[in-house]
Amino acid sequence: AQSVTQPDIHITVSEGASLELRCNYSYGATPYLFWYVQSPGQGLQLLLKYFSGDTLVQGIKGFEAEFKRSQSSFNLRKPSVHWSDAAEYFCAVGVNTGFQKLVFGTGTRLLVSP
Amino acid sequence: DAGVTQSPTHLIKTRGQQVTLRCSPKSGHDTVSWYQQALGQGPQFIFQYYEEEERQRGNFPDRFSGHQFPNYSSELNVNALLLGDSALYLCASSLRNTEAFFGQGTRLTVV
Repeated sequence: AQSVTQPDIHITVSEGASLELRCNYSYGATPYLFWYVQSPGQGLQLLLKYFSGDTLVQGIKGFEAEFKRSQSSFNLRKPSVHWSDAAEYFCAVGVNTGFQKLVFGTGTRLLVSP
Repeated sequence: DAGVTQSPTHLIKTRGQQVTLRCSPKSGHDTVSWYQQALGQGPQFIFQYYEEEERQRGNFPDRFSGHQFPNYSSELNVNALLLGDSALYLCASSLRNTEAFFGQGTRLTVV
């Protein structure tokens, strides 16, 4: 069965410091991978996606993620965190059986300290 | 472009009642999916509609049903509400297998 693991429930980063959020997936075929961000009480906003090709993908708000097939990972990175980045981050794998559904991890809450 | 819109934003229902949530997809999108997000959890896939038919379904009981209209908008119905149905219900739209765009969600509280 498909699954996504986000091993860090909470992460605290100082403003201006770099960030890496971890994501590991389990999926038998070539995965479609996504990172979404959710502010409190809000819906999900797509940060970036990987479908194929270059394993380093760029997203919005200065985020990037690297797909590593050998490690079944798709970690999210940002070189310098801003206070407005504080939110919940979800990694998801797209399961494609003709129609695509998303399987999400449990999320990582990012706290940004001054 | 209004994006994905959901209504209502908040809803309080009593155990045993029925509820209907609504979703209008992003312009140009033809596929609507529904997700349930319990507090502190990631979203869980409920079902997906395309061409007015349910195309795939997650592990949810038959109390959860849906509909898609010719204009691609969709409804999620939940019958015989349980306390455990309290959650944020998210609608996502896409153009077939492209990336999904999410609405702001409907917060359902069952008392």
